[in-house]
Amino acid sequence: DIVLTQSPDFQSVTPKEKVTVTCRASQYIGSKLHWYQQKPGQSPKLLIKFASQSASGVPSRFSGSGSGTDFTLTINNLEPEDAATYYCHQSGSFPLTFGGGTKVEIK
Amino acid sequence: EVQLVESGGGLVRPGGSLRLSCETSGMTFITYEMSWVRQAPGKGLEWVSYINIGGSAIYYADSVKGRFTISRDNAKNSLYLQMNSLRAEDTAVYYCARRYCSTAGCLFDYWGQGTLVTVSS
Repeated sequence: DIVLTQSPDFQSVTPKEKVTVTCRASQYIGSKLHWYQQKPGQSPKLLIKFASQSASGVPSRFSGSGSGTDFTLTINNLEPEDAATYYCHQSGSFPLTFGGGTKVEIK
Repeated sequence: EVQLVESGGGLVRPGGSLRLSCETSGMTFITYEMSWVRQAPGKGLEWVSYINIGGSAIYYADSVKGRFTISRDNAKNSLYLQMNSLRAEDTAVYYCARRYCSTAGCLFDYWGQGTLVTVSS
């Protein structure tokens, strides 16, 4: 199974700061890594697909990078509405897996 | 507008059964692979099961293999999850998720709002 290790688990940041979340895969997955945002009481929402492609309607402050085993989600100029938990997900092979999540809190 | 609406959750005793349904609209159901993903209270996302377009390819997480059965009815635009021999650790919100595939690969692009399954005596 491909294990996705996210870090940090939690980050408390002030508005307009930059947030960086990393996701490391236990095996090579190319670019089959996607990022989701989940706010409390809501279902996950696709942010970044195939490591670096923004999903439709996603603000430009969200970006993704990486390939192979190491990936990064960056949120520039953090907005209060970005408070959420962020998950990486690999779709390269079954069983499909998710990272443990990174909770971003706004100070 | 694409909509995925889950139903069938509820309180069930350990060892019991439940059947979840996911009714879809606003999409050509027969052209999409589908999955169930769950989330235990306060925990992360866990993929549960997958079914391809025709139902000929099915996969399960080890945690549910032999107890859960995924199926689909393309005529009714619906996805199902039959859950038997339920355990306390199956307590979670269960999401239906559409799997969009392109030449680059596949991903979950739409999710339902989820249905809560609670396994408790």
